[in-house]
Amino acid sequence: DGGITQSPKYLFRKEGQNVTLSCEQNLNHDAMYWYRQDPGQGLRLIYYSQIVNDFQKGDIAEGYSVSREKKESFPLTVTSAQKNPTAFYLCASSMGTGYGYTFGSGTRLTVV
Amino acid sequence: SQQGEEDPQALSIQEGENATMNCSYKTSINNLQWYRQNSGRGLVHLILIRSNEREKHSGRLRVTLDTSKKSSSLLITASRAADTASYFCATDDFRPNNDMRFGAGTRLTVKP
Repeated sequence: DGGITQSPKYLFRKEGQNVTLSCEQNLNHDAMYWYRQDPGQGLRLIYYSQIVNDFQKGDIAEGYSVSREKKESFPLTVTSAQKNPTAFYLCASSMGTGYGYTFGSGTRLTVV
Repeated sequence: SQQGEEDPQALSIQEGENATMNCSYKTSINNLQWYRQNSGRGLVHLILIRSNEREKHSGRLRVTLDTSKKSSSLLITASRAADTASYFCATDDFRPNNDMRFGAGTRLTVKP
């Protein structure tokens, strides 16, 4: 079955550590997106990529980095520069403009 | 960044009743989308409505769009306990890259 997989489901990070969240899709979608969701809030766009080897900053890119070396994969690194990283992170993919998103099941990141 | 704003923030109804949620936005759009999120899960795409469309249906869901008022509504008819979730609208704010912006959502509770 086609879908989008995020791993791990839960992740704990110590202060000062970088962590990488995985996002893989087998839907053959060109576009991929990373969002952050805080409790009781909507989603805020971190980064997005329309094509392999290209990506753009969203509204809250500071403290995050991404890569898009393969069409199927769009990993997100939460760096130590992100001062408040505890949140629910959602990855999505889309066929492109005028199409809805398919979301993964999310990764819950907690700083300990 | 521009976002849709949902109203009300929370809605509680009895099973069998209809639920109406509203979304207002600030800029021109190419399309507006509605999503559902069950607690702690990823979002599920419900309906996409384009700026030249006024109404769309999908099963028990009806979405309307009034571009002159910059508003949309989602109607769920004959609600069920399984409809309990948060509902989000998302807009592209007329950007070409389909990077959507989400509102804070309406939390719907359907009591059996």
